[in-house]
Amino acid sequence: QQQVKQSPQSLIVQKGGIPIINCAYENTAFDYFPWYQQFPGKGPALLIAIRPDVSEKKEGRFTISFNKSAKQFSLHIMDSQPGDSATYFCAARLDRGSTLGRLYFGRGTQLTVWP
Amino acid sequence: NAGVMQNPRHLVRRRGQEARLRCSPMKGHSHVYWYRQLPEEGLKFMVYLQKENIIDESGMPKERFSAEFPKEGPSILRIQQVVRGDSAAYFCASSPVGFDIRTEAFFGQGTRLTVV
Repeated sequence: QQQVKQSPQSLIVQKGGIPIINCAYENTAFDYFPWYQQFPGKGPALLIAIRPDVSEKKEGRFTISFNKSAKQFSLHIMDSQPGDSATYFCAARLDRGSTLGRLYFGRGTQLTVWP
Repeated sequence: NAGVMQNPRHLVRRRGQEARLRCSPMKGHSHVYWYRQLPEEGLKFMVYLQKENIIDESGMPKERFSAEFPKEGPSILRIQQVVRGDSAAYFCASSPVGFDIRTEAFFGQGTRLTVV
């Protein structure tokens, strides 16, 4: 059972475009929603994260939009650059109970930014 | 401050052999998580350990897989009698002592296991 569903599977944009990656979750008890960036041969690195008490968070060119009632959140990358080409994973975490700290990942979106 | 160190980076094993994957957490971190990433898929939780304790192993296959995090030394993920389906990237993440909701786990670069 996939607790976090991510789309699209792949995305191609021109440099300067605004790719948007969407995620939906099932468990309303999730406390924390991070996005990870992964380059080939590397481990995931935290990009930006949000908690369900806010609807938007912006860090540099990266913005998370969060819709609690729809159980959805999305990542927007402003002014995308070729160096942003990577795989992006959304995730969700429960910060209490027996599964404290466990991350539930989406399947990933492979982003390609053409120069 | 060195990050999470995993070794080996690449491991090739024949079917039926044992695979041992090592993870040294960041300095000061005593919580370790192991995740498995199959091709074209996201990471799947396997096990959560603190020093000398397994806290949550609900993501571990019931057979052939085991994990430990001894008082001294790295955390070890052991896979006995490997099969082709075990081929994957295995990632370790660590977080600090006194983990609370404000802390983040940091990932290592992973071990890519290939079973031939």
